[in-house]
Amino acid sequence: EAGVAQSPRYKIIEKRQSVAFWCNPISGHATLYWYQQILGQGPKLLIQFQNNGVVDDSQLPKDRFSAERLKGVDSTLKIQPAKLEDSAVYLCASSTMLTGSHYEQYFGPGTRLTVT
Amino acid sequence: SQQGEEDPQALSIQEGENATMNCSYKTSINNLQWYRQNSGRGLVHLILIRSNEREKHSGRLRVTLDTSKKSSSLLITASRAADTASYFCATDDSGYSTLTFGKGTMLLVSP
Repeated sequence: EAGVAQSPRYKIIEKRQSVAFWCNPISGHATLYWYQQILGQGPKLLIQFQNNGVVDDSQLPKDRFSAERLKGVDSTLKIQPAKLEDSAVYLCASSTMLTGSHYEQYFGPGTRLTVT
Repeated sequence: SQQGEEDPQALSIQEGENATMNCSYKTSINNLQWYRQNSGRGLVHLILIRSNEREKHSGRLRVTLDTSKKSSSLLITASRAADTASYFCATDDSGYSTLTFGKGTMLLVSP
C-alpha cells in the first residue's frame, strides 16, 4: 500500500513570498490533515478535511494560510505571504476515520520550509 | 493549545534497558495514541488506547491509561538502538479523531 505522498520535500523562500505544498493521501482515506511542526515541538493541527469538507480549521491562520481539497482526494496548503515564524515542517496525514470511531493517522514525510 | 505533556523531555539509556515515558493531559478524551518520529521513517503510529481501556500491549510496547489521573505511560522493554527517536502522545478529545500532540520525549538508546 502506497503511503501519504508530499511534495516538495524542502523549500526555501524569502519572507513575504508565497509557497504551496501538495499532499496525496492513502487511497480510500476520507480524512486528511495538515499539521505544522516547529522544531522541538509536537505537530499542531492546522486543518482537517472529511472528504472535501472542512471539519476543523480553528488553528489555521486564515489571514495567510489557505487549504483546499476540491475533489476529496489530494490537497494543497498555501501560505501567502510567508513570515519568518512559518519556518517549520508541514506534515500531511490521512486516516479512514469516521465520526465516533477510533483510527490511527498515517503521516507523510513532510515538507521542511525555511523562510529567510 | 497543548493537551498532552510528555515527561521526561529527554531520556538516555543503554540497549537492553527499559524506557518509560509518561503523558499527562487536561480534558476528557476519546482515545490516546502514541507516535514515534525519527529522521528515517517520519511520524509513525505505535499504539492506540481507548478511554475505556486500561492497558494495551503491542510487541515490546506496553501502554497504560489512567483516566482518573488523566495520564498515560508508554513502556518500551528491552530497548534497541533503533528505538532512538522522539515519542509523542496525542489525545483525541473531539470524537472526530482530531489529535492534539504533546511536545514529545526524546529517547536515546546507546549500544
